[in-house]
Parts: sequence; C-alpha cells; structure tokens
Amino acid sequence: EIVMTQSPATLSVSPGERATLSCRASQSVGSNLAWYQQKPGQAPRLLIYGASTRATGFPARFSGSGSGTEFTLTISTLQSEDFAVYFCQQYNNWPPLTFGGGTKVEIK
Amino acid sequence: EVQLAASGGGLVQPGRSQRLSCTASGFTFADYAVSWFRQAPGKGLEWVGCIRNKAHGGTIEYAASVKGRFTISRDDSKSIASLQMNSMNTGDTAVYYCGRGRLWVDYWGQGTLVTVSS
Repeated sequence: EIVMTQSPATLSVSPGERATLSCRASQSVGSNLAWYQQKPGQAPRLLIYGASTRATGFPARFSGSGSGTEFTLTISTLQSEDFAVYFCQQYNNWPPLTFGGGTKVEIK
Repeated sequence: EVQLAASGGGLVQPGRSQRLSCTASGFTFADYAVSWFRQAPGKGLEWVGCIRNKAHGGTIEYAASVKGRFTISRDDSKSIASLQMNSMNTGDTAVYYCGRGRLWVDYWGQGTLVTVSS
C-alpha cells in the first residue's frame, strides 16, 4: 500500500498571500494524483487530478505540479473562501486508493 | 446537475448491521463507477471500496479493513448504490461518503454519520 504524507499539517497564511502545500508518496505514483478541498461540515470537492489538471469550478489561482513521489499544490493568492483542508490522493496503485493526512490552511 | 446523497446512517450497536444508500441524479448512473469513503471524526479520508459499472464487469473492490464484513452493490434501474455493513465495531464510526468515479471522485455526496456504540 502506498503511503501518502502531507506537509505541513497546518499552514497559517494571510489573505492575498501564496500557499504551498506538499504531498509525498512512499513510492512513485507517476502523475496519478488528485487533490481535494474540504470545508467544515462539507464533503470533499475534487480540485486537481492527473497531478495538474484543474477540476471544473476552481479558478486559475489553484495549480498542481509534480510527478513520481513529490507533489505540490499552490494557491497563488489566497482568498477567504480558500481556507479549508486539502487532501492528496494517489490512484496509481489501486486498490486501495490512499490519502494523505491533510493540510489545514488557516487564516494567519 | 450531478448530485449524490448518502443516507441510512445512525446509531448501531457493536456487532450489528447497517445499510447505507447512495442516491444519484443528474447523470447516467449506469455509466459510472461508484466509490465509498469514510472519515472518522476529526480524521482524514479512508477509501472503503468501489463498484465498477456493468460495462467494466461490475467488479467490486474493498479496503482490507472492511473486506468480508462490508458489501457494495448497485441498482442501475434506480440509480442507487448500497453499502451493507455487517459485524460493525467502534472503529467503523465515521461519516460515510459516496462518490462518482473509481480512481478519482469528481462528485461527492453529502455524507451520512454512522456511530457504532453500545
């Protein structure tokens, strides 16, 4: 089973600043990585798939990069609605799908 | 509009069973795989299992933690997927989500809380 590790666990950022979230896989997953955004009390929402393809409904300030074992989610200019928890998930070695522990982006 | 909704949660005693439903609308349900996930209170996401569509054999996969206890099924005529959970234990306490897709989930249903407690 591939273990996904996200860092940091919590990221404190001021609105308008840039946020950089990391996700590492215990072995290569190619570009078979997705990112999800989850707000309190809500279901997750698909944000990125294929490591860098943005899902419908998310603006261009969200971008994903990386391949193999190292991945990054960047939010270029944080807006108030972006404060949430972000999870990465690999689908290269399936089953099982595996998730990182999440990064909470909070207001500084 | 694509929508999914999980229902059927509640309080269940250890060792007992619970059945969840995932009702879908706004798309051709038969064309898609359906996946189940869960999230223990304050924790991260865990994949529970998946059922492919019939065009891909309708095959089902389960997480090791639920294999042999949980059963996933689907009724394409009603656009419903089900998660039958047997021999439940306190570790199964979580919000359960269903979603459209097998490798990544592009639409998630609102979850349903299952609490296993005596």
